Amino acid sequence: KQEVTQIPAALSVPEGENLVLNCSFTDSAIYNLQWFRQDPGKGLTSLLLIQSSQREQTSGRLNASLDKSSGRSTLYIAASQPGDSATYLCAVRSKTSYDKVIFGPGTSLSVIP
Amino acid sequence: KAGVTQTPRYLIKTRGQQVTLSCSPISGHRSVSWYQQTPGQGLQFLFEYFSETQRNKGNFPGRFSGRQFSNSRSEMNVSTLELGDSALYLCASSFGVRDEKLFFGSGTQLSVL
Repeated sequence: KQEVTQIPAALSVPEGENLVLNCSFTDSAIYNLQWFRQDPGKGLTSLLLIQSSQREQTSGRLNASLDKSSGRSTLYIAASQPGDSATYLCAVRSKTSYDKVIFGPGTSLSVIP
Repeated sequence: KAGVTQTPRYLIKTRGQQVTLSCSPISGHRSVSWYQQTPGQGLQFLFEYFSETQRNKGNFPGRFSGRQFSNSRSEMNVSTLELGDSALYLCASSFGVRDEKLFFGSGTQLSVL
């Protein structure tokens, strides 16, 4: 059974710092991994999608990597800004769980001005 | 291009009632999936539809059901509401399945009293 975990659960950093969020999954049989951000009481905004055959994806100050064999993905945020404060979730589409999308619990990020 | 639209935004019901939530996907998207988000359980997959067919279903009781119409709009229904059904219900759409980025609506906040 696919399980997704995220470490740390919460993170507080000063503005301008570079930071890394971690996502781990137990079964490497995935189609893809997607990173989202969620603002309080709102829906999810897609940040980056990495297909199982890819190693990384970049968008602006964001870079996501995928190591399928070790069951890990990282989201790197460069030069953090207060507007980056949100909860960041990763999700995998699992090949072995009837193609279901399984989410991690999220990392709550606070960027202090 | 309009995003994913969920209605209503907020809903208050009492135990034992039933509720229907609506989701209009991005134009051209044929896949719609539903998720339940609670503080204790996080984001959990409910079901996914593609071209009016349910592809898979999460681990929820039969009180939770859904359907998709020929224009790709989707509804989910919860019968005999329980207090524990209070949650943010999120809908996501994508062009296809498996390899596609998910786009989420703002959600319907359901409170069961």
